[in-house]
Amino acid sequence: DIVMTQSPESLAVSLGERTTIYCKSSQTILYSINNKNYLSWYQQKPGQPPKLLIYWASARDSGVPDRFSGSGSGTDFTLTISNLQAEDVAVYYCQQYYSSPTFGQGTKVEIK
Amino acid sequence: QVQLQESGPELVKSSETLSLMCTVSGGSINNYYWNWIRQSPGKGLEWIGYISYSGTPNYNPSLKSRVTISMDTSKNQFSLKLNSVTAADTAVYYCARDPISSAWSYFDYWGQGILVTVSS
Repeated sequence: DIVMTQSPESLAVSLGERTTIYCKSSQTILYSINNKNYLSWYQQKPGQPPKLLIYWASARDSGVPDRFSGSGSGTDFTLTISNLQAEDVAVYYCQQYYSSPTFGQGTKVEIK
Repeated sequence: QVQLQESGPELVKSSETLSLMCTVSGGSINNYYWNWIRQSPGKGLEWIGYISYSGTPNYNPSLKSRVTISMDTSKNQFSLKLNSVTAADTAVYYCARDPISSAWSYFDYWGQGILVTVSS
């Protein structure tokens, strides 16, 4: 299995500030034939299922605000939330789909 | 708008079989791949397996010996059976859609989830 490791486990951010969540895979998830990174990001609020934010490492899903952006390649990836809003308080997960899907352990984002 | 809804017993006895159904509305299960994912405090989010639009399943190797996923196209439903359950199988179980119909994928639509507790 590919192990996904997120950092930090939690962070507190002021409203309007920018924050970055890190995700590292135990092996490359860049498929050389199509040059795509098999990495997605989800947001989960209490009592709700995960919501897809980003796929192919940097493509925003339909309706996702542009303050959410994904980047990275190979084994190292980031999710950046610019201009943090109160509704962004949630746990964020990365997931690889290069092989049998696995998820990171989550990063909890709170308001400072 | 595609919607998924899990249903089934919320309490299962240890060593018995967990059986869940996912009903899909707003789209046909004859398209895309359909997945089961679970979430527990101890193991986080764990992919269980999928069934393709043609009825071919694929399972997480760690659960493969205990899992069966099948589909009923006439009812637009797919199901999960997990046998010989233990307390470690207590989790919220989600059904979810794979939008790219690939062996490995991300998930764009999810059900609300159902908490299944395994009791001794």
